Amino acid sequence: EPEVTQTPSHQVTQMGQEVILRCVPISNHLYFYWYRQILGQKVEFLVSFYNNEISEKSEIFDDQFSVERPDGSNFTLKIRSTKLEDSAMYFCASSGRGTIYEQYFGPGTRLTVT
Amino acid sequence: GQSLEQPSEVTAVEGAIVQINCTYQTSGFYGLSWYQQHDGGAPTFLSYNALDGLEETGRFSSFLSRSDSYGYLLLQELQMKDSASYFCAVRDSGNTPLVFGKGTRLSVIA
Repeated sequence: EPEVTQTPSHQVTQMGQEVILRCVPISNHLYFYWYRQILGQKVEFLVSFYNNEISEKSEIFDDQFSVERPDGSNFTLKIRSTKLEDSAMYFCASSGRGTIYEQYFGPGTRLTVT
Repeated sequence: GQSLEQPSEVTAVEGAIVQINCTYQTSGFYGLSWYQQHDGGAPTFLSYNALDGLEETGRFSSFLSRSDSYGYLLLQELQMKDSASYFCAVRDSGNTPLVFGKGTRLSVIA
């Protein structure tokens, strides 16, 4: 069964450093998303990506964040200068045409900023 | 904007039936989804309701009443493995992202 994959599973970084979180969405999906979840809290939308551009972004997704689809398979989230409050689980998700409500989530990357 | 309300915790006995409610406020409405998340795991899609009524998928059913801005997830024949957090999520238009509720933590006890 196709699945979304994410690397690394855990990333520890120092405050102010740049991090890149990587995702490989399901191959025939067209919509890609990043969410974050602070421990014990709800899943929060960050950004959606379609047709090689950002389609929606939340208030959380400020100038420190960027996304890229550098090739036909990878989808990345970059945080330029990490802050302590960026510590969270980051989930990538994808969905197919006409099924935006049914999103397939990757296993997540736990980001710890020290 | 959108807001969703669901109970924070529910406890039920193995083999029983449990209902997890979700009320929402959105400027528009484009369907109510339910996701399950086990501790340390990723959310997984359970069901979606765009129209009023009940959708059944095995032991899980989901209900929607658009006039009441209300839906619920019904879990039957509870099993220990059903212990997880359950999130309702809405979109207020066809192009907006999913907004998740805060989740209901279901504990199934013997």
